[in-house]
Amino acid sequence: GAGVSQSPSNKVTEKGKDVELRCDPISGHTALYWYRQRLGQGLEFLIYFQGNSAPDKSGLPSDRFSAERTGESVSTLTIQRTQQEDSAVYLCASSLEGITDTQYFGPGTRLTVL
Amino acid sequence: EDKVVQSPLSLVVHEGDTVTLNCSYEVTNFRSLLWYKQEKKAPTFLFMLTSSGIEKKSGRLSSILDKKELFSILNITATQTGDSAIYLCAVEATGNQFYFGTGTSLTVIP
Repeated sequence: GAGVSQSPSNKVTEKGKDVELRCDPISGHTALYWYRQRLGQGLEFLIYFQGNSAPDKSGLPSDRFSAERTGESVSTLTIQRTQQEDSAVYLCASSLEGITDTQYFGPGTRLTVL
Repeated sequence: EDKVVQSPLSLVVHEGDTVTLNCSYEVTNFRSLLWYKQEKKAPTFLFMLTSSGIEKKSGRLSSILDKKELFSILNITATQTGDSAIYLCAVEATGNQFYFGTGTSLTVIP
């Protein structure tokens, strides 16, 4: 069956540009998560959606980061005025119900800010 | 098709037992294997393994990678109720692509 998909798989952008990353969760999964992983480091939690609302945005590193989810399905993570320190792999995961369920991860989007 | 398979899917043990969790993979352009403990919203990083045969240890947890047989194990000795969690294995391929297993759910009974 279809798993979590993310697009693009790779994105190279110039400092100061905006980027939009997309996540398609597993159909029927109500919870969706965004993480950031820098080279050699663990997962950094960014934001969590339950349905279309985000009860926990505590991990967003700055106001340049925002995310939305529509139709309890696809989510987009937007980074405005990208900086070099934003370079990382952005991972999306979904789970059937809530935060105690197994999370299924997508392959990630590798973002490189030049 | 690249994939990561974890076993068992779930495990129930008593406090004090030792457990071994397995992670096998078929991933081209392997770069590293990572273990995470997932209790709440965000998995907590445990280990990153890149070389075969070198055990990594942290307290009661240890892990080792076999790049020839394409698997890793995570050992937890003298388990405690606080070890109850889902343990995730992930393989990073070159190009920063990640492949996650579906996890092993560990329950430690007092």
